[in-house]
Amino acid sequence: EVQLVESGGGLVQPGRSLRLSCAASGFTFDDYAMHWVRQAPGKGLEWVSGINPNGDSVGYADSVKGRFTISRDNAKNSLYLQMNSLSAEDTALYYCARWVVGFDYWGQGILVTVSS
Amino acid sequence: EIVMTQSPATLSVSPGERVTLSCRASQSVRSHLAWYQQKPGQAPRLLIYSASTRATGVPARFGGSGSETEFTLTISSLQSEDFAVYYCQQYDTWPPYSFGQGTKLEIK
Repeated sequence: EVQLVESGGGLVQPGRSLRLSCAASGFTFDDYAMHWVRQAPGKGLEWVSGINPNGDSVGYADSVKGRFTISRDNAKNSLYLQMNSLSAEDTALYYCARWVVGFDYWGQGILVTVSS
Repeated sequence: EIVMTQSPATLSVSPGERVTLSCRASQSVRSHLAWYQQKPGQAPRLLIYSASTRATGVPARFGGSGSETEFTLTISSLQSEDFAVYYCQQYDTWPPYSFGQGTKLEIK
C-alpha cells in the first residue's frame, strides 16, 4: 500500500524557518517525481515545488522561489521541503504528492502556521 | 506562467443530474490536463489525467474531454458522494504545475 506521511509542521514566527519531511512507503521511491502542494485555510490548491526521481531537476512556484528548497533522499525514501523567511502568506496545509501523470497519491497533509 | 480558470465557482445541482464543469487554460496545454476531487478534510483525489483518461478506480460516470485551452469534466448522474470541490491542473509546462481555483458542487 502506498503511503505518504508528512511531518515537521507547526507554529512558527514570521521570518523563521521550518523543514517539512515526507516519508514514503509501499512503492519504489526513486522511480517517481515528487511534489509539494499547499492549501491555505479555506482556499484552493497551490503547487509549491517538485523534484525529479534522481533529484537533479527541481522547480518552484514564484511565490516561494529563493525561500524554499526541495530535496530528497532516495536511500531513506524521503522528500523534504526547507522553508526559510516564512510569512503569514505561507500558512497552509502542505501535502506531498507522487507524480505519475497527475498526482496519484497524496499524504494527509501537515499544517504550517506562521504567526507571531 | 499558464493560468487555469474554472467556471463556475459554485454549482448547485440535484442528485441524478448531469453536470459539466469547465476549465480554460491561458495558452495551449495540449492534452496535459488533470482533474481532482476534494472532499472536506481530505486530500485531493486524482480523477482524470491526459484530459480524458480515468484514473484507477474512478467510476465511469466521470468523463473528461477537451484539448489545447478548453476542457470539461462531466459527471453523468450525480451521486451524493460526488458533492465536493473539483480542480483542474495543467502539467504541460512547469514550473508551475498550475491549478484552477476550483468549482464547488453543492446540493440544490
